[in-house]
Amino acid sequence: KAGVTQTPRYLIKTRGQQVTLSCSPISGHRSVSWYQQTPGQGLQFLFEYFSETQRNKGNFPGRFSGRQFSNSRSEMNVSTLELGDSALYLCASRLGQGESDTQYFGPGTRLTVL
Amino acid sequence: AQSVTQLDSHVSVSEGTPVLLRCNYSSSYSPSLFWYVQHPNKGLQLLLKYTSAATLVKGINGFEAEFKKSETSFHLTKPSAHMSDAAEYFCVVSAPNFGNEKLTFGTGTRLTIIP
Repeated sequence: KAGVTQTPRYLIKTRGQQVTLSCSPISGHRSVSWYQQTPGQGLQFLFEYFSETQRNKGNFPGRFSGRQFSNSRSEMNVSTLELGDSALYLCASRLGQGESDTQYFGPGTRLTVL
Repeated sequence: AQSVTQLDSHVSVSEGTPVLLRCNYSSSYSPSLFWYVQHPNKGLQLLLKYTSAATLVKGINGFEAEFKKSETSFHLTKPSAHMSDAAEYFCVVSAPNFGNEKLTFGTGTRLTIIP
């Protein structure tokens, strides 16, 4: 099976712009989660989608939003970009059937905000 | 509430010697625990997971971890380090509420292998 794919792999934006990141989960996986990784804050949970519904949300401002499509692909949007949004954004997918489901991570999208 | 503490931010070992990466967790419920590895400029790869079955868990690439409830620990070990093991390692705890699961990550341990 193909793994989790994320596009684009690298992005450079300027402050105030908005950006959309895309994630395609492993075939058959219905849950997609997003994480932000920075040197200062480490890995932080953004949100999880399951069957097109946001099921769980981390502690991020409303500028960070997401959605999931009927084919389980997910997008994450960040509006009014700030310098501090520069990070590696990781997407992870899992079946979504049980509490001990393994999450499989994609390679990430590295966002640089200038 | 749940949390995880990785006791060492950086560990250096010589090639061929044992590896020990330490992790303590806190959870109100019986947790699921994971170790992930991240190589430079790569995503996270699952090494192993504990889900209340055997307390000694074997993973990929010769790694294993032992769940010790009395010590709330889940340390990662490998008998003999290889150069390719150089990476960042994350200990992760998962809340056991179906439908409301999220992963809480430790701050990571950078493993350096000395030739």
